[in-house]
Amino acid sequence: GIQVEQSPPDLILQEGANSTLRCNFSDSVNNLQWFHQNPWGQLINLFYIPSGTKQNGRLSATTVATERYSLLYISSSQTTDSGVYFCAVGPIKAAGNKLTFGGGTRVLVKP
Amino acid sequence: DGGITQSPKYLFRKEGQNVTLSCEQNLNHDAMYWYRQDPGQGLRLIYYSQIVNDFQKGDIAEGYSVSREKQESFPLTVTSAQKNPTAFYLCASNQGTEAFFGQGTRLTVV
Repeated sequence: GIQVEQSPPDLILQEGANSTLRCNFSDSVNNLQWFHQNPWGQLINLFYIPSGTKQNGRLSATTVATERYSLLYISSSQTTDSGVYFCAVGPIKAAGNKLTFGGGTRVLVKP
Repeated sequence: DGGITQSPKYLFRKEGQNVTLSCEQNLNHDAMYWYRQDPGQGLRLIYYSQIVNDFQKGDIAEGYSVSREKQESFPLTVTSAQKNPTAFYLCASNQGTEAFFGQGTRLTVV
């Protein structure tokens, strides 16, 4: 099956810093989503971005499907940005629009 | 409000017992999914259903069972055959594009 690798696995930031999270995947996809998992375990939808670039406030994401990677940018980080960020992809070859998750990037923003 | 509701939030099970986790959605989505998350890891697919009365095994289906009798409901049963059931369980739905998740159920075997 498709492999999804996220980097870095852990990230410690000072409040106000910018950062880039990366997601590499091993096959063609027609679905790519970024999620933020809060301390209570809830998965918050950040972006649905199988290709192109999107922005939402301090967050933006870019997916280059032909090169099989996606980037999530966090600008002017805040303590509330702490948590785990997951990339999940839906392979074109897979039935059922199933998502395969990466291992996540654990972000800690210090005040 | 439209969304996905999972219950209960916390569940404790004795070894050898079957337990059923509830997942209900009012988004009118055809497809629903169950994922399992272990501490410090990503999510893994247990079962999915693309339409009522149909469901398929995911990557880790052993020891689990599901049913899909109504569009809005996709309950997951964790059977006694599941060797290590303690985990966080998340239900999701979509309508061909973006998936949305419930708040999860934390299952602990005591």
